[in-house]
Amino acid sequence: AQKVTQAQTEISVVEKEDVTLDCVYETRDTTYYLFWYKQPPSGELVFLIRRNSFDEQNEISGRYSWNFQKSTSSFNFTITASQVVDSAVYFCALSGNNAGNMLTFGGGTRLMVKP
Amino acid sequence: GAGVSQSPSNKVTEKGKDVELRCDPISGHTALYWYRQSLGQGLEFLIYFQGNSAPDKSGLPSDRFSAERTGGSVSTLTIQRTQQEDSAVYLCASSPYGTDYGYTFGSGTRLTVV
Repeated sequence: AQKVTQAQTEISVVEKEDVTLDCVYETRDTTYYLFWYKQPPSGELVFLIRRNSFDEQNEISGRYSWNFQKSTSSFNFTITASQVVDSAVYFCALSGNNAGNMLTFGGGTRLMVKP
Repeated sequence: GAGVSQSPSNKVTEKGKDVELRCDPISGHTALYWYRQSLGQGLEFLIYFQGNSAPDKSGLPSDRFSAERTGGSVSTLTIQRTQQEDSAVYLCASSPYGTDYGYTFGSGTRLTVV
């Protein structure tokens, strides 16, 4: 069975602070994919990143960076110099070969960035 | 179209009535998914369509829920004899190939059962 855990239900930071959102996953698949999505107050889910389980290189995109560590089954997301527009709910998700085509989501972390 | 389109955006229905929710995926996307998001909760998988294959219905919570996809494009999620616990945002997503690509989500249908 697949499981994604986002232990932080809510985080509040002041603008320009760095913040890391944690994601821990469980899967029996040898090949799997990890995702992060952003859900702003408008409600639409916005795709941020997809990572293949064979690619453990960290990735940076502007102020966003992702740290994938298979040894700890974690796929953490860091926002550098946070901005008010980063306020949203962030979901980590997992899909794998042997779990059908289901994308399993974590419970989400609500990030509030205060000016 | 440019994105995944869902209609209606909001639906209020009386308990016991049937409702139909529509999803129009991105043109050419073979995979289509339905998820449900209850207030303040994460996303719950409901059903998955891939091309002409039999759908994966493993996430449907009861036999009151059904979905179909006509012509490999538009999908309709039907909830019969709605209950108050069915109140949620129903999200549709599509992707070109399946699990190894990011899914594009629609804006959802907010269903309220009164």
